[in-house]
Amino acid sequence: EAQVTQNPRYLITVTGKKLTVTCSQNMNHEYMSWYRQDPGLGLRQIYYSMNVEVTDKGDVPEGYKVSRKEKRNFPLILESPSPNQTSLYFCASSFLNTGELFFGEGSRLTVL
Amino acid sequence: GESVGLHLPTLSVQEGDNSIINCAYSNSASDYFIWYKQESGKGPQFIIDIRSNMDKRQGQRVTVLLNKTVKHLSLQIAATQPGDSAVYFCAESRDDKIIFGKGTRLHILP
Repeated sequence: EAQVTQNPRYLITVTGKKLTVTCSQNMNHEYMSWYRQDPGLGLRQIYYSMNVEVTDKGDVPEGYKVSRKEKRNFPLILESPSPNQTSLYFCASSFLNTGELFFGEGSRLTVL
Repeated sequence: GESVGLHLPTLSVQEGDNSIINCAYSNSASDYFIWYKQESGKGPQFIIDIRSNMDKRQGQRVTVLLNKTVKHLSLQIAATQPGDSAVYFCAESRDDKIIFGKGTRLHILP
């Protein structure tokens, strides 16, 4: 089944404790992206990648890192999480030159 | 900054009626727009897209209209059903980014 898989789906952590949210897709998509979703603010793009070893900042990259060592994986790294990073995070992927993003089920992160 | 936005945060429609969800954009150079549907507890799901060389595109029970003169697009859902209850986002593709509006929640009245 074609899908985007994120882990963990839920996480409660404390300020400053490094964490990684993994994302994997099995559709051979070149494009992958991370979004955060907050009430009243919609979906905001954090980082995106157009291919292996190519990553670019979205609109809200501060406090996040990503890597794209393999085509299928695009982990989101929070080196020192802060409470303002409490949010619902979505990973998405697509072929290039299309807006048809396939989204994961989301990862709800709470930073205390 | 924000380049796409929806007119109304919520919309209530009687079951069986047609729904029209509106979206405005500010960048006249924008040439590709997408609509997504997000059901409760799930990730957004692609509905339909349209490029600026078209002013109308139809899918199954959905139609997207693009008015480049006033920088406005709309999503029309025919014969709205309970399963259409969701948040609808318009999005714009620009500089390799896909930028989302804030969303309209569609409520279906019995």
